[in-house]
Amino acid sequence: ETGVTQTPRHLVMGMTNKKSLKCEQHLGHNAMYWYKQSAKKPLELMFVYSLEERVENNSVPSRFSPECPNSSHLFLHLHTLQPEDSALYLCASSQVMTVGDTQYFGPGTRLTVL
Amino acid sequence: GQQLNQSPQSMFIQEGEDVSMNCTSSSIFNTWLWYKQDPGEGPVLLIALYKAGELTSNGRLTAQFGITRKDSFLNISASIPSDVGIYFCAGLLTGTASKLTFGTGTRLQVTL
Repeated sequence: ETGVTQTPRHLVMGMTNKKSLKCEQHLGHNAMYWYKQSAKKPLELMFVYSLEERVENNSVPSRFSPECPNSSHLFLHLHTLQPEDSALYLCASSQVMTVGDTQYFGPGTRLTVL
Repeated sequence: GQQLNQSPQSMFIQEGEDVSMNCTSSSIFNTWLWYKQDPGEGPVLLIALYKAGELTSNGRLTAQFGITRKDSFLNISASIPSDVGIYFCAGLLTGTASKLTFGTGTRLQVTL
């Protein structure tokens, strides 16, 4: 595997379900990100982990809970979601604290909340 | 907060034509990035610009980092059908945790 991978690629869940999204990066980076992409909106940064510590939480509802067990893996735990949470959830990674650090994205998980 | 204005929102062009799109910001960035996104996929990095005034090419793509650090453009020459997609600009302020600010995207359609 190379680059940034995400599983599952598609997820349909009810509002009472609990599920998790997984992201893995094979680039040796030290920062990982979760973004939400809704139709006709710019990408919204949700969470940032740098050196496995959360450094950014952009006022995301508590029904989204991130976890970063090591520098290569990032999870997004979901519970009691709302239909408006349906979107493409993108993971990215980068090497921070370097000149010109650049974020590389995974293919995303298309989430549908019924 | 920072905002990126990207234009045009959409373009319909014929195969072989050149394309130009741009982004402007209300504040400065020290890196500009251009991504392309196909339906149902994540954004793929096309070009990264790290210095004001920098002009960089990647095949048929050329991008420039504006001298004021508040704007950038992307040109695509001799478009082909596989250029179809959504193109995003993104500005970056490098720090402890890099925070990308994305433009709203330019949807490109190429007709034969």
